[in-house]
Amino acid sequence: EAGVAQSPRYKIIEKRQSVAFWCNPISGHATLYWYQQILGQGPKLLIQFQNNGVVDDSQLPKDRFSAERLKGVDSTLKIQPAKLEDSAVYLCASSLGTGDYEQYFGPGTRLTVT
Amino acid sequence: GQQVMQIPQYQHVQEGEDFTTYCNSSTTLSNIQWYKQRPGGHPVFLIQLVKSGEVKKQKRLTFQFGEAKKNSSLHITATQTTDVGTYFCAGPDGGTSYGKLTFGQGTILTVHP
Repeated sequence: EAGVAQSPRYKIIEKRQSVAFWCNPISGHATLYWYQQILGQGPKLLIQFQNNGVVDDSQLPKDRFSAERLKGVDSTLKIQPAKLEDSAVYLCASSLGTGDYEQYFGPGTRLTVT
Repeated sequence: GQQVMQIPQYQHVQEGEDFTTYCNSSTTLSNIQWYKQRPGGHPVFLIQLVKSGEVKKQKRLTFQFGEAKKNSSLHITATQTTDVGTYFCAGPDGGTSYGKLTFGQGTILTVHP
């Protein structure tokens, strides 16, 4: 079974530039998550999708971050414009459903904003 | 909002010594999950505990869920260098129906050979 795929793996941009991350979840997983993990901290949920609908985006900085999950499969997360404090690893995860399901994480995208 | 705290933040042990990390939630949890993240890697699911007082074992790892379902622990017996990494606990936000997970800040385990 293929795991969660993410690209790119690394990205370096200057502040005020834009960036996009892509995620392909495990086949058949209805729920997709985007997390932000700052060095030395646990993952923080940015947005959670159930199929192609958003179930939680309460911690997503909506003035600069956006995410979509077209057709309920792949997802993209965009930051525009980026700030220095956005430097982090962005993790995508998926699970069979919401609730008490284990989450499968992708390798992450390490973003450096200079 | 819900808070999940872990202690200690760091633990350095000699290979063969035991290791324990503790997790405390500000709210009662329906379940708790544990993940391991190797250096440079991504979190990998280890286990889920659901019942009050539940104890589960995976080889040298023992997981416990407190009676009040607000705390949990992970104990590793006779650590090995392969145990190196950060161990996270995560609990669902009881205020949601969709199980939004809140992760602790993790315990970083270093094992000296």
